[in-house]
Amino acid sequence: NAGVTQTPKFQVLKTGQSMTLQCAQDMNHEYMSWYRQDPGMGLRLIHYSVGAGITDQGEVPNGYNVSRSTTEDFPLRLLSAAPSQTSVYFCASSYSKNQPQHFGDGTRLSIL
Amino acid sequence: AQTVTQSQPEMSVQEAETVTLSCTYDTSESDYYLFWYKQPPSRQMILVIRQEAYKQQNATENRFSVNFQKAAKSFSLKISDSQLGDAAMYFCAYRSGDPLADGLTFGKGTHLIIQP
Repeated sequence: NAGVTQTPKFQVLKTGQSMTLQCAQDMNHEYMSWYRQDPGMGLRLIHYSVGAGITDQGEVPNGYNVSRSTTEDFPLRLLSAAPSQTSVYFCASSYSKNQPQHFGDGTRLSIL
Repeated sequence: AQTVTQSQPEMSVQEAETVTLSCTYDTSESDYYLFWYKQPPSRQMILVIRQEAYKQQNATENRFSVNFQKAAKSFSLKISDSQLGDAAMYFCAYRSGDPLADGLTFGKGTHLIIQP
């Protein structure tokens, strides 16, 4: 039982490049979310999914896309990386609304 | 939209003492869930305690307990017998009970320092 797995753990990009942050969970959780954490801030919600095929925007969705083709995977795509997207990204999942979210270990992303 | 406010950027407590971290939230919903997460320097997000809004009884988990005041929209965390391992950032978080919406709304966090 691996829990929530995020890859890569670290990444450096150049402005304008695109990339996908991977998130996978093996707990059959319906609910999955992506957050970013910047210094001095709490985590902020980027996108979320309440089940396969269903996604919606959170507080800070601009510059990011998501899809949920399977229950297990919820990738986050940066379309054209900008320095403002330098952050630590967390993926989380839960079985139901009243259960706590389980977090991955995070991806530290730097955009030059 | 909901907001979560943690008014104490940093707190310091002596080892073995008790400390209370404050959290207030703003919402027009009646069905929701509240959480406290701990983030040590390793960056992991670790659940400390959770509370369902419909439950009047305050949640407790060993040395951790909450004071949930629904009318005042307050959700404070009390840590008893503080230990060096409790040193971390603590985040209060809100989750809507709306089945069509999800994700957590976090406060900005409180940095807890434990003095030996």
